Amino acid sequence: QKEVEQNSGPLSVPEGAIASLNCTYSDRGSQSFFWYRQYSGKSPELIMSIYSNGDKEDGRFTAQLNKASQYVSLLIRDSQPSDSATYLCAVNEGGADGLTFGKGTHLIIQP
Amino acid sequence: DAGVTQSPTHLIKTRGQQVTLRCSPKSGHDTVSWYQQALGQGPQFIFQYYEEEERQRGNFPDRFSGHQFPNYSSELNVNALLLGDSALYLCASSWTRTDTQYFGPGTRLTVL
Repeated sequence: QKEVEQNSGPLSVPEGAIASLNCTYSDRGSQSFFWYRQYSGKSPELIMSIYSNGDKEDGRFTAQLNKASQYVSLLIRDSQPSDSATYLCAVNEGGADGLTFGKGTHLIIQP
Repeated sequence: DAGVTQSPTHLIKTRGQQVTLRCSPKSGHDTVSWYQQALGQGPQFIFQYYEEEERQRGNFPDRFSGHQFPNYSSELNVNALLLGDSALYLCASSWTRTDTQYFGPGTRLTVL
């Protein structure tokens, strides 16, 4: 059974610092990796996707992928209080397949 | 550009009843996936529809069924509701040649 593991938190980070969120997955056939942000009572919002080993940067966000270790991470630089949310890691085997999600990490940015 | 829309926003049903949830995909998208998100959990994949057929299904019982219409909109039907079916039901749309899924606002279902 495909599993995605995340530390549920809460992860508390001071404003302006770097927040580091981690995710491991069980299916070695996974090809596509996603980070979604979900505010309380809202639906998931796509932040980033990553497909190749290494880093991918988009503004204050950097996704990192290591397929050999089956590990994905998300770094948020210059954290802002508006970044406080639950961050969901999701994977699939590529194409338009259904996503397998972790339970999410609750991030709190302290002003 | 209209995003993914879902209706209704909230719904309250009693055990044993049946419910239908609706989803309209983002413009240009042809694939619709449905997810169930219980409180404090990540979304769980129910099934996916493409070309009006169920293409892939997660680990959900046959009480959960769906449909896709020629305009790519979709319905999720749940029969014989259980208390455990109470959750946020999310619809996500994508284009079949890509894997990026965009979520609608969700329907909050409460089963009493």
